[in-house]
Amino acid sequence: DGGITQSPKYLFRKEGQNVTLSCEQNLNHDAMYWYRQDPGQGLRLIYYSQIVNDFQKGDIAEGYSVSREKKESFPLTVTSAQKNPTAFYLCASSPLGGAGNQPQHFGDGTRLSIL
Amino acid sequence: SQQGEEDPQALSIQEGENATMNCSYKTSINNLQWYRQNSGRGLVHLILIRSNEREKHSGRLRVTLDTSKKSSSLLITASRAADTASYFCATVYNAGNNRKLIWGLGTSLAVNP
Repeated sequence: DGGITQSPKYLFRKEGQNVTLSCEQNLNHDAMYWYRQDPGQGLRLIYYSQIVNDFQKGDIAEGYSVSREKKESFPLTVTSAQKNPTAFYLCASSPLGGAGNQPQHFGDGTRLSIL
Repeated sequence: SQQGEEDPQALSIQEGENATMNCSYKTSINNLQWYRQNSGRGLVHLILIRSNEREKHSGRLRVTLDTSKKSSSLLITASRAADTASYFCATVYNAGNNRKLIWGLGTSLAVNP
């Protein structure tokens, strides 16, 4: 079955450490997205990519980095510069057609906590 | 950034009752989407309604859109315990040459058996 796989499900970060969250999709979607979700808040866009080897900053990109070397993969690195990384991270993908013109498909998230 | 707003923030009903959630937004839109999120899971797309549509159905779900009031509602009829989840609306925000989805804060629905 096609879908989006995020791993790991739970991740713990030590102070000063970079950690990478994995996102893989086999839906053949061109666009991929990373969101951060905090309790009681809506989703906030971190980065998005509409094509391989290209990506744009979202609303809260500081302290994060991404790469898009393959169509099916869009890993997110939470760097030590992100001082408040504890959150639920969601990866999504959609066919190209502009955000909002196509439904987004989501993975089941990675919950990141600070040790 | 601009956000939609859902109300109520939380809703608790009995199984079999109908649940209505509302979403208001600030800018003109091409379409509006509704999603469901079960606790600790990713979001699942429910319905996309375009700006030239006034009502759309999918099973027990009915979505209405009033562009003059910049609002949408999601009605779940004959609710079940499995409908317990958070429900989000999302609208498109034009940011230069790119478009982004802007998400509301969600309505938390509890359906009691």
